Amino acid sequence: DQQVKQNSPSLSVQEGRISILNCDYTNSMFDYFLWYKKYPAEGPTFLISISSIKDKNEDGRFTVFLNKSAKHLSLHIVPSQPGDSAVYFCAAPDKAAGNKLTFGGGTRVLVKP
Amino acid sequence: DTEVTQTPKHLVMGMTNKKSLKCEQHMGHRAMYWYKQKAKKPPELMFVYSYEKLSINESVPSRFSPECPNSSLLNLHLHALQPEDSALYLCASSLGDTNEKLFFGSGTQLSVL
Repeated sequence: DQQVKQNSPSLSVQEGRISILNCDYTNSMFDYFLWYKKYPAEGPTFLISISSIKDKNEDGRFTVFLNKSAKHLSLHIVPSQPGDSAVYFCAAPDKAAGNKLTFGGGTRVLVKP
Repeated sequence: DTEVTQTPKHLVMGMTNKKSLKCEQHMGHRAMYWYKQKAKKPPELMFVYSYEKLSINESVPSRFSPECPNSSLLNLHLHALQPEDSALYLCASSLGDTNEKLFFGSGTQLSVL
């Protein structure tokens, strides 16, 4: 049972426009969420996180929104840049499983110049 | 120093070989992790060491043997691997074992022939 899902495997966007990545979760006990960015043949790098006590967290061009009632979060990248082309993973620690980090399947973003 | 360093970056081994992957961090993190990632898939947790003790083994086959010599080092010993074990092996660390923010190394790309 996949507790964190990213239903869009890929996204293509023009440079300068907004990228919106979506993530849904099923476990209502999740109270902290992270987004990681991954380039090919490299490890994921932490991008931004949000606690369930907030509904928005912003860091420069990156903003994460959390809708607890819908069990949905989204990552907005504005403006998108070619260097943002990567795979983005949504993740949440599962406290019932020793805080094992549960990842979504990832969304591949391509930003076209 | 905010890096997790993994060696080697690439490894090709035969099914009868014995090899080791190494990971090092000097951030004072007390939890260290091994993940396996196949192409177009999210990282899959293999092992977690918390305060130098193995705390999670995700039912990994015994041909993978982790070792944590001290709080800064983590090894993964490989023996009699199968071609399907070919993947990117990622090491990560976190400040504690709450798993809220992982720092990943760049990985070892392993090919088993």
